[in-house]
Amino acid sequence: AQSVTQLDSHVSVSEGTPVLLRCNYSSSYSPSLFWYVQHPNKGLQLLLKYTSAATLVKGINGFEAEFKKSETSFHLTKPSAHMSDAAEYFCVVSGYNTNAGKSTFGDGTTLTVKP
Amino acid sequence: EAGVTQFPSHSVIEKGQTVTLRCDPISGHDNLYWYRRVMGKEIKFLLHFVKESKQDESGMPNNRFLAERTGGTYSTLKVQPAELEDSGVYFCASSSGLGTDTQYFGPGTRLTVL
Repeated sequence: AQSVTQLDSHVSVSEGTPVLLRCNYSSSYSPSLFWYVQHPNKGLQLLLKYTSAATLVKGINGFEAEFKKSETSFHLTKPSAHMSDAAEYFCVVSGYNTNAGKSTFGDGTTLTVKP
Repeated sequence: EAGVTQFPSHSVIEKGQTVTLRCDPISGHDNLYWYRRVMGKEIKFLLHFVKESKQDESGMPNNRFLAERTGGTYSTLKVQPAELEDSGVYFCASSSGLGTDTQYFGPGTRLTVL
């Protein structure tokens, strides 16, 4: 079985300050982990993914995430928020064996960026 | 290369009517997935095709939902008859492989059942 918990449903930051979106996962197998972003009225866009290579993963638009197996976490960070980062973010886990191909989504975190 | 496309982008129907959603995956992607997000809840898996075969349909809510992928290219998801609780956004995704392979999502179809 696999599951994802996004610890914050809403996060608000000021432009230029750091962003931290938290995600914890559970998986019976070696998971693949993803972060997707959805801007209003747009589809889901892949930000980054972890697939058992380097534990620090760099994505698009300055985002990165660190896989910590001991903490079962995959938090998303960005050093300096931009107004265009305002969107909803989803942490996703996918795995092999019985869950092969099936992605499990967190509930989403809405990021607000204040000027 | 074109991404995953979905049609229509929005659909408003009355309870009891039938609606068919279409998804065109990225060319060459054997794996096609349907997900949906009902209002205020998480995005949930519905089913997974490998080419024209249903690999996993454990997420299909009930027998009012029928998904097909004839010929292993585009897929349709039919809801018949539609109920109020079917309202939400239906996403389609495709990937070339399983597990670690990235799933590329379409823009979604927003279904409203009145």
